Amino acid sequence: DSGVTQTPKHLITATGQRVTLRCSPRSGDLSVYWYQQSLDQGLQFLIQYYNGEERAKGNILERFSAQQFPDLHSELNLSSLELGDSALYFCASSARSDSKNIQYFGAGTRLSVL
Amino acid sequence: GENVEQHPSTLSVQEGDSAVIKCTYSDSASNYFPWYKQELGKRPQLIIDIRSNVGEKKDQRIAVTLNKTAKHFSLHITETQPEDSAVYFCAPVAGANNLFFGTGTRLTVIP
Repeated sequence: DSGVTQTPKHLITATGQRVTLRCSPRSGDLSVYWYQQSLDQGLQFLIQYYNGEERAKGNILERFSAQQFPDLHSELNLSSLELGDSALYFCASSARSDSKNIQYFGAGTRLSVL
Repeated sequence: GENVEQHPSTLSVQEGDSAVIKCTYSDSASNYFPWYKQELGKRPQLIIDIRSNVGEKKDQRIAVTLNKTAKHFSLHITETQPEDSAVYFCAPVAGANNLFFGTGTRLTVIP
């Protein structure tokens, strides 16, 4: 167990809908990262938050948004869902004091858009 | 941003043979070089890493070698076992963030 918790584990929804994915980082970790992994694909970086502030942005669609709350948990909001958004969404966290910036991944949320 | 490539994209080896996966990167400021392993249906997990001031690091059957001049580092797995079958990702770090994962290498160890 990495200490990073993601909910829900599975999500099935229809096109055009909106969903929220939740991530609780390891205790004490200030950075949260979101990744999208489509079937048989690599890890596509979406966005990073550090202590509540957006730190870096990857190829995140305008239909997607995220935030990190004062208790450091993070939510990824996906709206106007399309079939192509079906994927495994990972959250990872890392410690500010860790100069290596090792990322610890949650178990992921599998999103199926029908 | 960093351009990260892995080769090969797929690799099949017989159990007991060695496997080598190479990662090339573009950012000369990269100073930390980890490898992650992702088993089928599971989360990626760090398996070995190396800092830029070290050329090689070993941990039992796995090792990582670094060539900073050529901007590549490699994962070596010896005496492969079926449980080594997974997708392996490199993720070189420049500065405070490692946001650029390689494209992944699917390793299959044939019993």
